[in-house]
Amino acid sequence: AQSVTQLGSHVSVSEGALVLLRCNYSSSVPPYLFWYVQYPNQGLQLLLKYTTGATLVKGINGFEAEFKKSETSFHLTKPSAHMSDAAEYFCAVSETGGSYIPTFGRGTSLIVHP
Amino acid sequence: DGGITQSPKYLFRKEGQNVTLSCEQNLNHDAMYWYRQDPGQGLRLIYYSQIVNDFQKGDIAEGYSVSREKKESFPLTVTSAQKNPTAFYLCASSLKADLQGAAFFGQGTRLTVV
Repeated sequence: AQSVTQLGSHVSVSEGALVLLRCNYSSSVPPYLFWYVQYPNQGLQLLLKYTTGATLVKGINGFEAEFKKSETSFHLTKPSAHMSDAAEYFCAVSETGGSYIPTFGRGTSLIVHP
Repeated sequence: DGGITQSPKYLFRKEGQNVTLSCEQNLNHDAMYWYRQDPGQGLRLIYYSQIVNDFQKGDIAEGYSVSREKKESFPLTVTSAQKNPTAFYLCASSLKADLQGAAFFGQGTRLTVV
């Protein structure tokens, strides 16, 4: 069985500060990992994904995430927050060799202060 | 443009009524999914389908039904047996369940029981 834990339901940063959203996963097989962003009353948009290969993954809007197998983590970072980054962020995992159905974390709301 | 279309965007249902949420995709994706989103609970899987004329229950299928008669369409019916249907419903699709497929999402339907 797979699961995702996102630490912190809300993260607050100042504009220009580092963004760090935490995600830990549980999976019995090598996972595929995803980060999605959701703006109010909209669907989810894929930010980035890790499948195989390089463990540092770059995505859209300046976000990146690093897969750390030893820590079972896939934290999302951005060097400098922008007001437009304020949104809900979801980490997801799917198990290779299985049904590949993604399982989502509970989400982290990013608040950006001017 | 290719994408996933959910309709309607807002839906109001009276107690005891069945309602059907539409989901259509023109991405030629094989797999389709329905998720329910409640504040602070992330996305929970209701049903999924990996091929036409076949679908599987997710984690919270009780009170819901689906069909997959065409590759492009995966409607969800919220029946009167669903005790707490007020939520945001998201439809998603992926190219193939076993090809590192990230899910693409529609814009969602917000269902309110009145």
